[in-house]
Amino acid sequence: GQQLNQSPQSMFIQEGEDVSMNCTSSSIFNTWLWYKQDPGEGPVLLIALYKAGELTSNGRLTAQFGITRKDSFLNISASIPSDVGIYFCAAFRGAQKLVFGQGTRLTINP
Amino acid sequence: NAGVTQTPKFQVLKTGQSMTLQCAQDMNHEYMSWYRQDPGMGLRLIHYSVGAGITDQGEVPNGYNVSRSTTEDFPLRLLSAAPSQTSVYFCASSYQIQETQYFGPGTRLLVL
Repeated sequence: GQQLNQSPQSMFIQEGEDVSMNCTSSSIFNTWLWYKQDPGEGPVLLIALYKAGELTSNGRLTAQFGITRKDSFLNISASIPSDVGIYFCAAFRGAQKLVFGQGTRLTINP
Repeated sequence: NAGVTQTPKFQVLKTGQSMTLQCAQDMNHEYMSWYRQDPGMGLRLIHYSVGAGITDQGEVPNGYNVSRSTTEDFPLRLLSAAPSQTSVYFCASSYQIQETQYFGPGTRLLVL
């Protein structure tokens, strides 16, 4: 079953606002990933995290690997219209199987 | 490079029909995988392959078969389609396990 609990499920914000979303699990993971999916397309990797406590940025995106290794956070600063989409957290269960959260759908009002 | 390609883009099947979803990559990636995406459930791993001739089950393998005769191709077969298999199917590949996975554009399947 689903092992990653992602929240919130949806967000409606104004352009320019900051966004925060998170992913939690009862299991420990060694790698956390954040993907974005645009309508009608496959997910695209945004950020990969490999070490507990790691904080990584990619432009206006910042993600953190929780110290307990059971959670991860993604922040988007100063949102713009092209940030609209579905954001997924993902983590490797064992060495070979990637599991995904349910996704956070981001809608931006101009 | 074309990246990861999937065909068809859309398909409608009747219950009990069989079909094969095609996936190909031209990046010489060893690891390939198939996911299904259903509303509110994210992506779930169906089957994966760590190299030609090697496949293994993911989280939701029932009703699907795969094979990997070449590095480039990783087809997904539905032997007897059921309405519960209505979904969007994504193929992905990476050079090695736990490296960046590249996803195809998806196949939308409707089983009536």
